[in-house]
Amino acid sequence: DTEVTQTPKHLVMGMTNKKSLKCEQHMGHRAMYWYKQKAKKPPELMFVYSYEKLSINESVPSRFSPECPNSSLLNLHLHALQPEDSALYLCASSSPSGGETQYFGPGTRLLVL
Amino acid sequence: AQSVTQLDSQVPVFEEAPVELRCNYSSSVSVYLFWYVQYPNQGLQLLLKYLSGSTLVKGINGFEAEFNKSQTSFHLRKPSVHISDTAEYFCAVIGGGTSYGKLTFGQGTILTVHP
Repeated sequence: DTEVTQTPKHLVMGMTNKKSLKCEQHMGHRAMYWYKQKAKKPPELMFVYSYEKLSINESVPSRFSPECPNSSLLNLHLHALQPEDSALYLCASSSPSGGETQYFGPGTRLLVL
Repeated sequence: AQSVTQLDSQVPVFEEAPVELRCNYSSSVSVYLFWYVQYPNQGLQLLLKYLSGSTLVKGINGFEAEFNKSQTSFHLRKPSVHISDTAEYFCAVIGGGTSYGKLTFGQGTILTVHP
């Protein structure tokens, strides 16, 4: 089973709201990722967690706050977002050995009004 | 640093025709190479990967790719496409060194299969 699940599928929020995106995998992977994908563009890496510790932050604004409560779960907390943050947010997981395949979830389509 | 170039942004083709989507990469270290497919409003699905071994890699849905180290290419091919293959295709690379674990994507190729 190579399934990564993400909730919610769609999210609409105002600029003053606080919301969270959730990602879950049960493949025993110890690396998890958040990507942001704008329309007609490739995914851009935001954060990497390895063994539940943040290992890469690609200079993401602090209005995005990742959290890895355990090895199967990854959250992305959103606060005071801007309309330009509207995008598809993708979660992925892999074994944390660099060359291992990343498996992606279906994504959360976020619209910031 | 590593980079990926997908040479065609759009590829139109008729159903049952063969197709090749081109991908070139640059890296100063050994790399692992991937092709992902993204259908409209969906996430990325792994088509195939090259980690080591045989340079001809077979994937799902009848796709295959050949790793060519001397030409730093990893072109994706399918001998006969279907309407359902219409999607966006991304070539991606992971290398060692400072880019360890970081997947770098090409800009994507939109494949449109016409009846």
